[in-house]
Amino acid sequence: QVQLVESGGGVVQPGTSLRLSCAASGFSFSAYGMHWVRQAPDKGLEWVANIWNDGSKKYYVDSVKGRFIISRDNSDNMVYLEMNNLRVDDTAVYYCARRGSYYMDVWGKGTPVLVS
Amino acid sequence: QSVLTQPPSVSGAPGQRVTISCTGSSSNIGAGSDVHWYQQLPGTAPKFLIYNNVKRPSGVPDRFSGSKSGTSGSLVITGIRDEDEAHYHCQSYDSTLSAWVFGGGTKLTVL
Repeated sequence: QVQLVESGGGVVQPGTSLRLSCAASGFSFSAYGMHWVRQAPDKGLEWVANIWNDGSKKYYVDSVKGRFIISRDNSDNMVYLEMNNLRVDDTAVYYCARRGSYYMDVWGKGTPVLVS
Repeated sequence: QSVLTQPPSVSGAPGQRVTISCTGSSSNIGAGSDVHWYQQLPGTAPKFLIYNNVKRPSGVPDRFSGSKSGTSGSLVITGIRDEDEAHYHCQSYDSTLSAWVFGGGTKLTVL
């Protein structure tokens, strides 16, 4: 079945880096754009980054521009989020989601990131 | 501060009808961007619930419906059940920010 599985979260200190991974299965990965969305503790959802299906275009929320990099490997069905210069307010559960037009139609279970 | 505005909470008794609003602006919903909704049960990931204002993905019960008017969208749940107790999030696309944007989420309590 269609599935997204995130990994790579953990506890890190401010100013350090972390790379999140998302493994996709059950669909034609190279045909879909992908998103990262985060949710801080007891807060709403916040879109973080988007990458086109072929990796040619990438978009970011203003608060992570210059610090986070989204990438993908269509040969391995993987999408990544490289997070640099982490801040306390980056603490959140990070979800990988499949792009369906302007919505997100498949979500992973998320991976938690604590910056402290 | 979320770009889209939702009420923090709504409640209703089993069998009642509840409406959750999602208010945007002329740069997102009012600019013609569609409204989409996600259900997040306690301790779980968001689930795709309504897309393009009114459409239901396969498997979503027809007691969930959506609409859009002007700069706002709405989610209506008719005949609410205990298992509908969850957070509901609206989402659209903002052409000025060039960003996908969410509401702050609404907690539905089934009394």
